[in-house]
Amino acid sequence: KAGVTQTPRYLIKTRGQQVTLSCSPISGHRSVSWYQQTPGQGLQFLFEYFSETQRNKGNFPGRFSGRQFSNSRSEMNVSTLELGDSALYLCASRSEGYEQYFGPGTRLTVT
Amino acid sequence: GENVEQHPSTLSVQEGDSAVIKCTYSDSASNYFPWYKQELGKRPQLIIDIRSNVGEKKDQRIAVTLNKTAKHFSLHITETQPEDSAVYFCAASSPRTYKYIFGTGTRLKVLA
Repeated sequence: KAGVTQTPRYLIKTRGQQVTLSCSPISGHRSVSWYQQTPGQGLQFLFEYFSETQRNKGNFPGRFSGRQFSNSRSEMNVSTLELGDSALYLCASRSEGYEQYFGPGTRLTVT
Repeated sequence: GENVEQHPSTLSVQEGDSAVIKCTYSDSASNYFPWYKQELGKRPQLIIDIRSNVGEKKDQRIAVTLNKTAKHFSLHITETQPEDSAVYFCAASSPRTYKYIFGTGTRLKVLA
């Protein structure tokens, strides 16, 4: 099976702009989670979607939002970008079990 | 709130020695504990995991132990090799919340 894919891989945005990141899970996986990875904070949980429903949300401001489509693909949106949003954004998918597999990430740089 | 503490933050060992990384979790409902290895510029890779109904699991040179009473779990790597050099993350997951809480990572350096 193909692994988790994310697009784009790299992105440069300006403060105040918004950005949309995309994640395609492993075929058959209905759960998609998003994480923010920064050198100082490690892997921070953003939210998890299962069958188009958000099941849980981390402690991030409302500028961070997401959605999941009927084919399990997921998007994450960040509005009004701040310098501190510069990070590697990782998505991960899993099936009914516990094992979670990560995509390669989208490196977002906000200038 | 839910928290996972991971120690040490950096670890240097000589090739062939063993390495141990320890994690402590706070949510007593956690029942799944994976370990990920992340090499520079790459995605985290699942290397081993353990569920709360098991005390120990081994896969070749790596093993994980779990002490539910103390809420501790550890990663053990024996006969370390230079390719083991990476950042290792532990995590805890609860069926109650559907989310993984990650530790802050351990940078392991295996010196040749």
